[in-house]
Amino acid sequence: DAGVIQSPRHEVTEMGQEVTLRCKPISGHNSLFWYRQTMMRGLELLIYFNNNVPIDDSGMPEDRFSAKMPNASFSTLKIQPSEPRDSAVYFCASSFLIGQPQHFGDGTRLSIL
Amino acid sequence: RKEVEQDPGPFNVPEGATVAFNCTYSNSASQSFFWYRQDCRKEPKLLMSVYSSGNEDGRFTAQLNRASQYISLLIRDSKLSDSATYLCVVNVGGWDTNAGKSTFGDGTTLTVKP
Repeated sequence: DAGVIQSPRHEVTEMGQEVTLRCKPISGHNSLFWYRQTMMRGLELLIYFNNNVPIDDSGMPEDRFSAKMPNASFSTLKIQPSEPRDSAVYFCASSFLIGQPQHFGDGTRLSIL
Repeated sequence: RKEVEQDPGPFNVPEGATVAFNCTYSNSASQSFFWYRQDCRKEPKLLMSVYSSGNEDGRFTAQLNRASQYISLLIRDSKLSDSATYLCVVNVGGWDTNAGKSTFGDGTTLTVKP
């Protein structure tokens, strides 16, 4: 079975540019999570969806960040404009139900110059 | 106080040693608990769920203490390949519900040396 698929795997761009990260959850999973991980702050939950509806976006750092889930098989996390402090590994995860184990994608390593 | 707290370590142990990690949580309504393993520059992967009665998977044993609000992970006969960061996860929602929120601890780093 295919796991959670994220793209791109790596992204290097200049500050001020728009960045779009993509995620395809495991088929049949109802919940989708976006995380950011840095050495300084560890793994931070940014936002999560249930049945394509955003449930809690309190972890989104600021208005430059936005996330959508237009259907059950696709989600995006967008940063506009990007800043060097956004550099991190961004993980997408999905689970069948919120209370069940999450399965993570390989992550997107984002570097903003 | 953080919702989920772990001793960051690092724990440096020799091969064959037994090592234990604890993870405390603040929300007494928490219902489901997990241990994840994360290797350097990789994604977190589920190691095991933690059941109320405690559970074992090979060399790994997980336990839950609701009264004191902590979960533990015991690794027996440590292998070099056990070197990783171990993250505990606490979820307010139950296993069979679609409510709640998962909170990850910051992780405990384990290095097993020859």
